[in-house]
Parts: sequence; structure tokens; C-alpha cells
Amino acid sequence: DADVTQTPRNRITKTGKRIMLECSQTKGHDRMYWYRQDPGLGLRLIYYSFDVKDINKGEISDGYSVSRQAQAKFSLSLESAIPNQTALYFCATSWTSGTGELFFGEGSRLTVL
Amino acid sequence: GENVEQHPSTLSVQEGDSAVIKCTYSDSASNYFPWYKQELGKRPQLIIDIRSNVGEKKDQRIAVTLNKTAKHFSLHITETQPEDSAVYFCAASRQNNNDMRFGAGTRLTVKP
Repeated sequence: DADVTQTPRNRITKTGKRIMLECSQTKGHDRMYWYRQDPGLGLRLIYYSFDVKDINKGEISDGYSVSRQAQAKFSLSLESAIPNQTALYFCATSWTSGTGELFFGEGSRLTVL
Repeated sequence: GENVEQHPSTLSVQEGDSAVIKCTYSDSASNYFPWYKQELGKRPQLIIDIRSNVGEKKDQRIAVTLNKTAKHFSLHITETQPEDSAVYFCAASRQNNNDMRFGAGTRLTVKP
């Protein structure tokens, strides 16, 4: 089945380390997103991309960067991780000509010590 | 930008009862309002959505209502079952879906 795959699924790192979370999709969707989930705060948009040459900041982009290496790949980087970036991160995709539904990956749990 | 508020944060009901979750939004230009269900340890998945050109949409035991004047929308689950237990998120976005904002979530527990 076509899916959205995130790696790694779990990662523990130390303050100051550079971390990359990767997302790949086989759905053929053109739009990709990175969300962060924290208890009591819901899902907050970090960055989104409508195609390979399009990158846009979301609600909470500070401390993060992204790269859209291909239509199917969208990676999120934390250049210098800090403890308050400990969270569950979700990649999502959607289709420009679709209904607007977001299709989420399984999530990447990041812990920054 | 858009701000979405969701209430209550937790909701506990007996099996068979109804559950209602309410959301308000701030951007009058928003016209797409989806609801996502996230089971424990799983990814969020769309369960129902509504666009601003309709006031109500129903799919079996779930329904969503929209009041554009008051800028609020609600999720209604009837005849709740234990498998309805999950966290539910409302969201709102404009036509091009470039900045969908989510509510903080409601943890629904259905007691057998």
C-alpha cells in the first residue's frame, strides 16, 4: 500500500547535537508537511512544501530547517537540538487536487537530553 | 494567522451515550474543517470533514456541524463504542490548505 514513512521512529540525543528526521512517501502526493505534537498543544505546523522548489515556514519554524530533496522526500533538521524540542514529530502529505486530507506518517519520537 | 480552540480537553462517556466536541476558529476566510482521530500510539487519521458551503455532514454515527457566522464547528458521535476512545483533533484552513491549524485535542474515553 502507498504510505508515508518516517525514519528514525525513535531517537534520543543530547543538547547541541544535529538531528535529521527523514520522510518519504509513495503516495505520489505533491505537498509535504512537518508537524510537531506536544501533549495539550495539538499538532503545530513547522514547515510545508508544495513542490520540490517550494518551502514555507509554518507556525513554529524557529530552530528547524527542511529540505525537499525530491517530490517523495522531505527531511527536517534540528541544527542544534535543545530539550524543549523533545516531542513527537509527524510528516504528512496531501494532494493539490485532492480533498485537502492530510496523510500522516507513523511519527518520530525525539528526546533531547 | 488562524487560531483554533477546542473543548473539552477530556471527555468521558458511557458506552451508548453521545459525545460532542466543539471548536472555534478565528479566520473568517477558513473554509475547510476536518476532524482527525488518533488512537493511542497511532497516527492521526481523517474521520470526517466539512466545507463552508454546507452546514452539516453525517457519516453513520458521526456528524459535523458548522456555524460560519459564529465561527464554530462541532463533532457529534452517537451510540459511542469503546473503540471510539481516542484523541480527536479539529482543524481549520483556507481553500489552498497551506497552513492548516489544529485544535489542542480532546481525549475521549468510552467506558463499557
